[in-house]
Amino acid sequence: GESVGLHLPTLSVQEGDNSIINCAYSNSASDYFIWYKQESGKGPQFIIDIRSNMDKRQGQRVTVLLNKTVKHLSLQIAATQPGDSAVYFCAEKRGSYIPTFGRGTSLIVHP
Amino acid sequence: ETGVTQSPTHLIKTRGQQVTLRCSSQSGHNTVSWYQQALGQGPQFIFQYYREEENGRGNFPPRFSGLQFPNYSSELNVNALELDDSALYLCASTPSEGLAGDGELFFGEGSRLTVL
Repeated sequence: GESVGLHLPTLSVQEGDNSIINCAYSNSASDYFIWYKQESGKGPQFIIDIRSNMDKRQGQRVTVLLNKTVKHLSLQIAATQPGDSAVYFCAEKRGSYIPTFGRGTSLIVHP
Repeated sequence: ETGVTQSPTHLIKTRGQQVTLRCSSQSGHNTVSWYQQALGQGPQFIFQYYREEENGRGNFPPRFSGLQFPNYSSELNVNALELDDSALYLCASTPSEGLAGDGELFFGEGSRLTVL
């Protein structure tokens, strides 16, 4: 079946390090991908998105990379801060379908 | 600009009871989606409302139903509650026109339902 999954359920990093959160998807028809951040007790918050006709997109301290050949998506966070500690979800969307969320990766930033 | 607001924030029910959760969409947003998020899982799509009509549904039984009002606010109703219905219920709004739109979903902080 089609799925969106994450390789690592928990990622621990030191403050100031760069973080890389990975996501695999199985449906080559997916054409839009989104990363969300969910802090404890809050709803998911949009971070960055990328369309399938792009390989890379940069935001403020974040970069999303898309490798369609291996159906892989990653979120890179530069100079990770304690405030980045949260659960990160990738979501895929196919045409007019509703986004499908993966299970999430918990990012823990140690001061 | 007011964000997405949900009520109640927490509630406890017993098996077999019914619950109504409410959501006010962000100003200017005409599409509302509901998600169920079990502990340690990603949000699972329940359904979406656009122009007061259900505009897409996930793999949830008919005892999950909803409404959208002319002011774009929405309700999620769950009948005959089961223990597995315990979860965080998230409402998200978007200015996009129903399913066809891209762009981010603006989530509320959720209603945490515990079924005993």
